[in-house]
Amino acid sequence: GQQLNQSPQSMFIQEGEDVSMNCTSSSIFNTWLWYKQDPGEGPVLLIALYKAGELTSNGRLTAQFGITRKDSFLNISASIPSDVGIYFCAGPRTSGTYKYIFGTGTRLKVLA
Amino acid sequence: DAGVIQSPRHEVTEMGQEVTLRCKPISGHDYLFWYRQTMMRGLELLIYFNNNVPIDDSGMPEDRFSAKMPNASFSTLKIQPSEPRDSAVYFCASSQWGVSNQPQHFGDGTRLSIL
Repeated sequence: GQQLNQSPQSMFIQEGEDVSMNCTSSSIFNTWLWYKQDPGEGPVLLIALYKAGELTSNGRLTAQFGITRKDSFLNISASIPSDVGIYFCAGPRTSGTYKYIFGTGTRLKVLA
Repeated sequence: DAGVIQSPRHEVTEMGQEVTLRCKPISGHDYLFWYRQTMMRGLELLIYFNNNVPIDDSGMPEDRFSAKMPNASFSTLKIQPSEPRDSAVYFCASSQWGVSNQPQHFGDGTRLSIL
């Protein structure tokens, strides 16, 4: 079945550094979503991507929909302590469905 | 705007007891989803509703789990009888207009512990 693998699983970075993470699938996705989950809270949508090659920014965050439609990337520039959390990619399990599959998550820790 | 509201935020109960989790979706959203999150399995979709009607419950783990949506502003997820392996964080999410790529908005979850 479809799986979304995220890399890296976790990372420690210094405040001010840029961060890159990715999400890969063995099958094609038509939509990529990036969520962030803070401790004790639900996932919050960061960026939604709907077209192959699309590059979208939200403040210091930039995400790209891979050309092959099997991957997506999230970059965070000039990280700050509140960037700490778990970042999930997600997408509809099959086209035209409302059933999301979520990635394994990238846990980010920022050292001040 | 109020987001998805879930209650209770925490629930601790003994094995065998009935547990009821509650969710109020965002007003105007016509899709509602129940998820379970564990360390081992991550976020899993249990069931989703469209216009208060259950559409897909293939993720519901067992007959001990049931979900209802009596109206557009309220849904429940019930576990009866509860077991320790049901311990997890349960999330409710909602989305709008039934377009497949409309992002889902999540509540803050109910952390359930079954002793």
